[in-house]
Amino acid sequence: EAGVAQSPRYKIIEKRQSVAFWCNPISGHATLYWYQQILGQGPKLLIQFQNNGVVDDSQLPKDRFSAERLKGVDSTLKIQPAKLEDSAVYLCASSQTGARLPQPQHFGDGTRLSIL
Amino acid sequence: QKEVEQDPGPLSVPEGAIVSLNCTYSNSAFQYFMWYRQYSRKGPELLMYTYSSGNKEDGRFTAQVDKSSKYISLFIRDSQPSDSATYLCAMSAMSSGGSNYKLTFGKGTLLTVNP
Repeated sequence: EAGVAQSPRYKIIEKRQSVAFWCNPISGHATLYWYQQILGQGPKLLIQFQNNGVVDDSQLPKDRFSAERLKGVDSTLKIQPAKLEDSAVYLCASSQTGARLPQPQHFGDGTRLSIL
Repeated sequence: QKEVEQDPGPLSVPEGAIVSLNCTYSNSAFQYFMWYRQYSRKGPELLMYTYSSGNKEDGRFTAQVDKSSKYISLFIRDSQPSDSATYLCAMSAMSSGGSNYKLTFGKGTLLTVNP
């Protein structure tokens, strides 16, 4: 079974520039998550999709972050404009959909973003 | 007070030692408890998943949950250098809207097992 694929692995940009990350989940996983992991911290959920609909985006800074999953499979996360505090690893995860129990989340290796 | 507290370490042990990793939490709504292992420059991978108080064993790993004390532990027996990684506890509760489960992570404990 292929895992969660993310690209690029690394990205360096200057503040106020824009950047986009791509994620392809495990085949058949309807639920897709984007997390932000700042150095020395645990992952923090930014947005959760079920198929192509948003389930939870309560912690997404909507003035600068956006995400879409148009066809219910792969997803992109965009930051525009970037701030220094956005330097972090952006992790994508996917899971099967479970109505009664939270399903195990499978993570990609992330995109490491550095803002200069 | 943070919802999930985890000592970031670092923790350094000799090969073969028993390792104890712990988290405390304040939200009584947490019902499901997980431990993830994260190697350097890799994504977290699920190690253990429990939803009741008590112990769950898988090979050299034992997860323990005490809901009355709001305390969870992960024990690693006969630790190996390949166990060197960051260990993240994670807990899940139904969202306030009732539409999804939300995972809350601890900061992670950096473990080094020395040969």
